[in-house]
Amino acid sequence: EAGVVQSPRYKIIEKKQPVAFWCNPISGHNTLYWYLQNLGQGPELLIRYENEEAVDDSQLPKDRFSAERLKGVDSTLKIQPAELGDSAVYLCASSFSFGVYNEQFFGPGTRLTVL
Amino acid sequence: AQTVTQSQPEMSVQEAETVTLSCTYDTSESDYYLFWYKQPPSRQMILVIRQEAYKQQNATENRFSVNFQKAAKSFSLKISDSQLGDAAMYFCAYLGYGGSQGNLIFGKGTKLSVKP
Repeated sequence: EAGVVQSPRYKIIEKKQPVAFWCNPISGHNTLYWYLQNLGQGPELLIRYENEEAVDDSQLPKDRFSAERLKGVDSTLKIQPAELGDSAVYLCASSFSFGVYNEQFFGPGTRLTVL
Repeated sequence: AQTVTQSQPEMSVQEAETVTLSCTYDTSESDYYLFWYKQPPSRQMILVIRQEAYKQQNATENRFSVNFQKAAKSFSLKISDSQLGDAAMYFCAYLGYGGSQGNLIFGKGTKLSVKP
């Protein structure tokens, strides 16, 4: 069974340019997460989806970041315009939310470098 | 708010030896989960071991075991018979049952090196 797929693996852009990351969760997983991982830090949640609904986007900087999960399957995270401080790894994870405990499975992440 | 603290930025162990990684956390919740994740250079976060707070017995997965001290809010990971493939970043993480359910809270990580 395929794991969480993310693309691209690496992205280098100039500041003020837009950028988008794509995530395809494990088949059947209704919950999708986007995490930001700065260098030398643990991941921090940006947004969590339950099916198509964003149930927690409190940590998403909405002035420049946006996300969508239109059909409740794959998702796109966008930054417009990118800033130097956005250089980081963006991780996607998914889980099957049934009951109290839902193990999250992570993708390999996208490493963004903003010049 | 819940916090997770890993006080060892880097650790080193000789191959075949045992190493213990430390983690403390702060929460007002009584029910929660704790995890150790491994992140190799490939960046893929892999679940190593999980502990439910209501269970007194410490979790064990092959060479990996934890020492869970609920009153002290301590959750350490012991790796026995260390192997070269164990070299990675290790993150301690917290998951609450209540309002924080679904949102993993990670520590800053410990970089483990394994010497041949």
